[in-house]
Amino acid sequence: EDQVTQSPEALRLQEGESSSLNCSYTVSGLRGLFWYRQDPGKGPEFLFTLYSAGEEKEKERLKATLTKKESFLHITAPKPEDSATYLCAVQAPSSTLGRLYFGRGTQLTVWP
Amino acid sequence: DTGVSQDPRHKITKRGQNVTFRCDPISEHNRLYWYRQTLGQGPEFLTYFQNEAQLEKSRLLSDRFSAERPKGSFSTLEIQRTEQGDSAMYLCASRGLEDEQFFGPGTRLTVL
Repeated sequence: EDQVTQSPEALRLQEGESSSLNCSYTVSGLRGLFWYRQDPGKGPEFLFTLYSAGEEKEKERLKATLTKKESFLHITAPKPEDSATYLCAVQAPSSTLGRLYFGRGTQLTVWP
Repeated sequence: DTGVSQDPRHKITKRGQNVTFRCDPISEHNRLYWYRQTLGQGPEFLTYFQNEAQLEKSRLLSDRFSAERPKGSFSTLEIQRTEQGDSAMYLCASRGLEDEQFFGPGTRLTVL
């Protein structure tokens, strides 16, 4: 059973067109939710960690938010260089050693 | 560059051959993880080391897979008698005192 579901699978935006990516999770007692960016052929690059509902983190054009059931990655006025796959991962209560469960990612394409 | 490094970046092998990958974590990180990622999927956990001790292994890690971290620094992942289904990106991540895991660039394995 998937613990992390990301939507949409793919998203195409015009430069400057703001949008949000969704990550829903089924684990209870979340120990942490993580957002990563992954460029083709490279390893994931850490973006944010969220721990509790209501928490928000920002970095440049990206803002991550967390509720009790899902997280959103908001992209404001995206640029072509924001094109990448965005991965969400959770650390479940049973993961005392830090094991992460990843979603399949949202492939974002921003065209000029 | 003080990030996580992996070697080789690409490996092409014939079915039945053995392969070994190396991961050098961030120097002050004592926790090290191996993940496997196939096309269109998020990374899947394989195994975890704290210093030189292997503390957790996934069911994905069959008897043909073995991992070591002999001195608590670099780690190796060996696959014996490779199969076509082993073709994937093998990712290493390290973690310090905080919860964030930092990934290396990965080793892309192709089994012919």
